[in-house]
Amino acid sequence: DQQVKQNSPSLSVQEGRISILNCDYTNSMFDYFLWYKKYPAEGPTFLISISSIKDKNEDGRFTVFLNKSAKHLSLHIVPSQPGDSAVYFCAGGMIMGSNYKLTFGKGTLLTVNP
Amino acid sequence: KAGVTQTPRYLIKTRGQQVTLSCSPISGHRSVSWYQQTPGQGLQFLFEYFSETQRNKGNFPGRFSGRQFSNSRSEMNVSTLELGDSALYLCASKQGSYNEQFFGPGTRLTVL
Repeated sequence: DQQVKQNSPSLSVQEGRISILNCDYTNSMFDYFLWYKKYPAEGPTFLISISSIKDKNEDGRFTVFLNKSAKHLSLHIVPSQPGDSAVYFCAGGMIMGSNYKLTFGKGTLLTVNP
Repeated sequence: KAGVTQTPRYLIKTRGQQVTLSCSPISGHRSVSWYQQTPGQGLQFLFEYFSETQRNKGNFPGRFSGRQFSNSRSEMNVSTLELGDSALYLCASKQGSYNEQFFGPGTRLTVL
């Protein structure tokens, strides 16, 4: 059962335009959602997160929106830059007792064309 | 502060062999998690160790095992390698239960 789904394996946008990466989830017990960015030959790096009690979190060019009723979140990058080209992973986080478990989606490859 | 380090970075093995991968977490981090990344499946959680105890496990066969030492360094072992085990194995560390995870660069394992 895939609890976190990123249905678009890839996305291509022009520099300066908006990039919208989407993520759907099935587990309503997630307390937190995170986005990670991964360049080739490097490990994923944390980008931005949002609590399940919020509907928006913004950090510079990056904004994450959460629609709990639709079990959907999206990452907006405005304006997109060529250096944003990477694989983006969406993850749901759940507190389980004294533990905290992350479940990742399969990732979306974003290509920003100059 | 040094980041998460993983050794080796690249590894080539043949079917049936076994392999041990190593992860050194960020100093002070007590939790180490392991993930397998493949093009088709994305990032899949293998297991997490905290203070030398496995406290979380993903849905992988028993051929995949791990351990954590008193200095928080962790090793992952895969026995009887199969072609499908070819993947990037990522290790991530965090300070406690609810903190942000920091990933290492990964070990690229190729099984021939």
